[in-house]
Amino acid sequence: DTEVTQTPKHLVMGMTNKKSLKCEQHMGHRAMYWYKQKAKKPPELMFVYSYEKLSINESVPSRFSPECPNSSLLNLHLHALQPEDSALYLCASSQDGGQGRLSNTIYFGEGSWLTVV
Amino acid sequence: GDSVTQMEGPVTLSEEAFLTINCTYTATGYPSLFWYVQYPGEGLQLLLKATKADDKGSNKGFEATYRKETTSFHLEKGSVQVSDSAVYFCALKPAGNKLTFGGGTRVLVKP
Repeated sequence: DTEVTQTPKHLVMGMTNKKSLKCEQHMGHRAMYWYKQKAKKPPELMFVYSYEKLSINESVPSRFSPECPNSSLLNLHLHALQPEDSALYLCASSQDGGQGRLSNTIYFGEGSWLTVV
Repeated sequence: GDSVTQMEGPVTLSEEAFLTINCTYTATGYPSLFWYVQYPGEGLQLLLKATKADDKGSNKGFEATYRKETTSFHLEKGSVQVSDSAVYFCALKPAGNKLTFGGGTRVLVKP
Protein backbone atom coordinates (compact mmCIF):
# COMPACT_ATOMS: atom_id res chain seq x y z
CA ASP A 1 0.00 0.00 0.00
CA THR A 2 1.07 3.54 -0.62
CA GLU A 3 1.43 6.02 2.18
CA VAL A 4 2.43 9.63 2.29
CA THR A 5 2.08 11.16 5.74
CA GLN A 6 1.79 14.86 6.40
CA THR A 7 1.98 16.88 9.61
CA PRO A 8 0.36 18.86 11.00
CA LYS A 9 -3.12 18.15 9.72
CA HIS A 10 -4.27 21.63 10.70
CA LEU A 11 -2.22 24.79 11.17
CA VAL A 12 -3.30 28.31 12.04
CA MET A 13 -0.61 30.96 11.76
CA GLY A 14 -0.32 34.71 11.85
CA MET A 15 1.11 36.72 9.01
CA THR A 16 4.35 37.30 10.89
CA ASN A 17 4.85 33.71 12.00
CA LYS A 18 7.32 31.16 10.69
CA LYS A 19 6.05 27.60 10.47
CA SER A 20 6.76 24.43 8.54
CA LEU A 21 4.75 21.67 6.95
CA LYS A 22 6.29 18.21 6.92
CA CYS A 23 5.88 15.22 4.66
CA GLU A 24 7.30 11.71 4.79
CA GLN A 25 7.10 8.69 2.52
CA HIS A 26 8.62 5.24 2.88
CA MET A 27 7.88 3.84 -0.55
CA GLY A 28 11.37 4.39 -1.90
CA HIS A 29 10.08 7.09 -4.21
CA ARG A 30 12.68 9.56 -5.43
CA ALA A 31 10.35 12.31 -6.58
CA MET A 32 8.32 14.41 -4.14
CA TYR A 33 5.87 17.22 -4.74
CA TRP A 34 4.05 20.08 -3.06
CA TYR A 35 0.62 21.07 -4.31
CA LYS A 36 -1.74 23.80 -3.16
CA GLN A 37 -5.50 23.30 -3.31
CA LYS A 38 -8.08 26.02 -2.83
CA ALA A 39 -11.70 25.21 -2.10
CA LYS A 40 -13.61 23.66 -5.00
CA LYS A 41 -10.54 23.71 -7.23
CA PRO A 42 -8.11 21.03 -8.39
CA PRO A 43 -4.62 20.92 -6.87
CA GLU A 44 -2.01 23.24 -8.34
CA LEU A 45 1.62 22.17 -8.54
CA MET A 46 4.08 24.25 -6.53
CA PHE A 47 7.38 22.36 -6.39
CA VAL A 48 8.94 19.10 -7.52
CA TYR A 49 12.03 17.46 -6.06
CA SER A 50 13.75 14.69 -7.96
CA TYR A 51 16.57 12.83 -6.24
CA GLU A 52 16.53 15.47 -3.50
CA LYS A 53 17.12 18.30 -5.94
CA LEU A 54 14.57 20.94 -6.80
CA SER A 55 13.58 20.30 -10.40
CA ILE A 56 10.41 22.38 -10.79
CA ASN A 57 9.35 25.63 -9.13
CA GLU A 58 6.07 26.86 -10.55
CA SER A 59 6.92 30.52 -9.92
CA VAL A 60 5.90 30.21 -6.28
CA PRO A 61 6.42 33.32 -4.08
CA SER A 62 9.54 33.20 -1.94
CA ARG A 63 7.47 33.21 1.26
CA PHE A 64 7.16 29.48 0.51
CA SER A 65 10.49 27.71 0.83
CA PRO A 66 10.76 23.97 0.14
CA GLU A 67 13.42 21.71 1.55
CA CYS A 68 14.24 18.07 0.92
CA PRO A 69 16.55 16.84 3.71
CA ASN A 70 16.65 13.29 2.34
CA SER A 71 14.84 11.05 -0.07
CA SER A 72 12.03 10.31 2.39
CA LEU A 73 11.33 13.78 3.74
CA LEU A 74 9.99 16.98 2.29
CA ASN A 75 9.35 20.20 4.16
CA LEU A 76 7.62 23.42 3.22
CA HIS A 77 8.78 26.41 5.24
CA LEU A 78 6.28 29.23 5.56
CA HIS A 79 7.08 32.83 6.41
CA ALA A 80 5.17 36.09 6.11
CA LEU A 81 2.18 34.46 4.51
CA GLN A 82 -0.97 36.27 3.46
CA PRO A 83 -4.58 35.31 4.22
CA GLU A 84 -5.02 34.31 0.57
CA ASP A 85 -2.41 31.59 1.14
CA SER A 86 -4.95 29.74 3.27
CA ALA A 87 -5.53 26.42 1.53
CA LEU A 88 -5.00 22.69 1.68
CA TYR A 89 -1.35 21.83 1.04
CA LEU A 90 -0.81 18.40 -0.40
CA CYS A 91 2.41 16.47 -0.49
CA ALA A 92 2.86 13.69 -3.04
CA SER A 93 5.47 11.27 -4.25
CA SER A 94 6.26 9.06 -7.20
CA GLN A 95 8.98 6.78 -8.42
CA ASP A 96 11.49 8.37 -10.69
CA GLY A 97 11.20 7.06 -14.23
CA GLY A 98 14.92 7.16 -14.78
CA GLN A 99 17.02 9.79 -16.54
CA GLY A 100 15.15 12.41 -14.54
CA ARG A 101 11.80 11.48 -16.05
CA LEU A 102 9.05 11.50 -13.47
CA SER A 103 7.10 8.30 -13.16
CA ASN A 104 3.48 8.52 -14.13
CA THR A 105 1.68 7.53 -10.94
CA ILE A 106 1.63 10.15 -8.20
CA TYR A 107 0.45 9.30 -4.70
CA PHE A 108 -0.90 12.01 -2.42
CA GLY A 109 -0.98 12.49 1.30
CA GLU A 110 -3.95 13.59 3.40
CA GLY A 111 -2.90 17.21 3.28
CA SER A 112 -2.30 20.01 5.76
CA TRP A 113 -5.06 22.55 6.19
CA LEU A 114 -3.44 25.97 6.55
CA THR A 115 -5.25 29.05 7.80
CA VAL A 116 -3.43 32.38 7.78
CA VAL A 117 -4.93 35.00 10.08
CA GLY B 1 -1.07 22.28 -24.11
CA ASP B 2 -2.53 19.38 -22.21
CA SER B 3 -6.01 19.76 -20.78
CA VAL B 4 -8.73 17.71 -19.13
CA THR B 5 -12.43 18.49 -19.27
CA GLN B 6 -14.90 16.81 -16.98
CA MET B 7 -18.55 17.35 -16.37
CA GLU B 8 -19.43 19.98 -13.84
CA GLY B 9 -21.29 18.93 -10.76
CA PRO B 10 -22.79 18.53 -8.47
CA VAL B 11 -24.15 15.18 -9.50
CA THR B 12 -26.86 14.07 -7.11
CA LEU B 13 -27.92 10.44 -7.10
CA SER B 14 -29.92 8.04 -5.00
CA GLU B 15 -28.22 5.05 -3.43
CA GLU B 16 -27.84 2.09 -5.82
CA ALA B 17 -28.11 4.34 -8.88
CA PHE B 18 -25.67 4.11 -11.81
CA LEU B 19 -22.95 6.76 -11.89
CA THR B 20 -21.17 8.11 -14.95
CA ILE B 21 -18.74 11.02 -14.89
CA ASN B 22 -17.55 12.10 -18.31
CA CYS B 23 -13.92 13.01 -18.88
CA THR B 24 -12.25 14.02 -22.14
CA TYR B 25 -8.70 15.14 -22.68
CA THR B 26 -6.35 16.88 -25.06
CA ALA B 27 -2.72 15.82 -25.03
CA THR B 28 0.21 15.22 -27.28
CA GLY B 29 1.60 11.73 -27.29
CA TYR B 30 0.22 8.95 -25.15
CA PRO B 31 -0.45 10.07 -21.60
CA SER B 32 -1.43 7.91 -18.68
CA LEU B 33 -4.92 8.65 -17.39
CA PHE B 34 -6.11 8.70 -13.80
CA TRP B 35 -9.11 9.15 -11.60
CA TYR B 36 -8.49 10.54 -8.13
CA VAL B 37 -11.12 10.79 -5.41
CA GLN B 38 -11.24 13.32 -2.58
CA TYR B 39 -13.57 12.57 0.32
CA PRO B 40 -14.75 15.51 2.45
CA GLY B 41 -11.92 16.97 4.49
CA GLU B 42 -9.31 14.60 3.10
CA GLY B 43 -6.48 14.46 0.60
CA LEU B 44 -6.51 12.84 -2.83
CA GLN B 45 -6.60 9.10 -3.25
CA LEU B 46 -5.72 7.36 -6.46
CA LEU B 47 -8.88 5.55 -7.52
CA LEU B 48 -7.76 3.92 -10.76
CA LYS B 49 -5.49 4.41 -13.72
CA ALA B 50 -4.86 3.29 -17.29
CA THR B 51 -1.58 3.65 -19.11
CA LYS B 52 -2.42 2.84 -22.73
CA ALA B 53 -5.27 2.74 -25.19
CA ASP B 54 -8.06 0.24 -24.44
CA ASP B 55 -6.75 -0.39 -20.93
CA LYS B 56 -9.48 -0.60 -18.32
CA GLY B 57 -8.75 0.61 -14.82
CA SER B 58 -10.92 -0.65 -11.99
CA ASN B 59 -11.13 -0.34 -8.22
CA LYS B 60 -13.85 -0.40 -5.55
CA GLY B 61 -16.52 -1.09 -8.19
CA PHE B 62 -15.46 1.86 -10.32
CA GLU B 63 -14.27 1.39 -13.89
CA ALA B 64 -12.88 3.57 -16.67
CA THR B 65 -11.59 2.64 -20.12
CA TYR B 66 -8.87 4.55 -21.99
CA ARG B 67 -10.48 5.45 -25.32
CA LYS B 68 -7.91 7.01 -27.59
CA GLU B 69 -10.29 7.35 -30.56
CA THR B 70 -12.62 9.56 -28.53
CA THR B 71 -9.92 10.90 -26.16
CA SER B 72 -12.09 9.96 -23.22
CA PHE B 73 -11.78 8.23 -19.85
CA HIS B 74 -15.30 8.16 -18.41
CA LEU B 75 -15.76 6.90 -14.86
CA GLU B 76 -18.61 4.48 -14.11
CA LYS B 77 -20.02 2.64 -11.14
CA GLY B 78 -23.00 0.36 -11.32
CA SER B 79 -24.46 0.91 -7.87
CA VAL B 80 -23.34 3.84 -5.74
CA GLN B 81 -23.41 4.09 -1.98
CA VAL B 82 -23.65 7.08 0.33
CA SER B 83 -19.96 6.55 1.10
CA ASP B 84 -19.13 7.33 -2.56
CA SER B 85 -20.04 10.97 -1.96
CA ALA B 86 -16.86 12.83 -2.84
CA VAL B 87 -15.16 14.97 -5.46
CA TYR B 88 -13.74 13.03 -8.39
CA PHE B 89 -10.82 14.38 -10.44
CA CYS B 90 -9.85 13.11 -13.86
CA ALA B 91 -6.18 13.67 -14.67
CA LEU B 92 -3.59 12.93 -17.31
CA LYS B 93 0.18 12.69 -17.24
CA PRO B 94 2.48 12.30 -20.20
CA ALA B 95 5.71 10.49 -19.42
CA GLY B 96 8.13 12.80 -17.68
CA ASN B 97 5.64 15.64 -17.60
CA LYS B 98 3.37 17.20 -15.07
CA LEU B 99 0.00 15.90 -13.86
CA THR B 100 -2.90 17.87 -15.35
CA PHE B 101 -6.24 17.79 -13.53
CA GLY B 102 -9.76 18.40 -14.66
CA GLY B 103 -11.90 20.77 -12.63
CA GLY B 104 -13.39 18.03 -10.46
CA THR B 105 -16.93 16.70 -10.20
CA ARG B 106 -18.74 16.68 -6.88
CA VAL B 107 -20.96 13.63 -6.37
CA LEU B 108 -23.61 13.48 -3.68
CA VAL B 109 -25.33 10.18 -3.01
CA LYS B 110 -28.52 10.35 -0.97
CA PRO B 111 -29.93 7.44 1.01
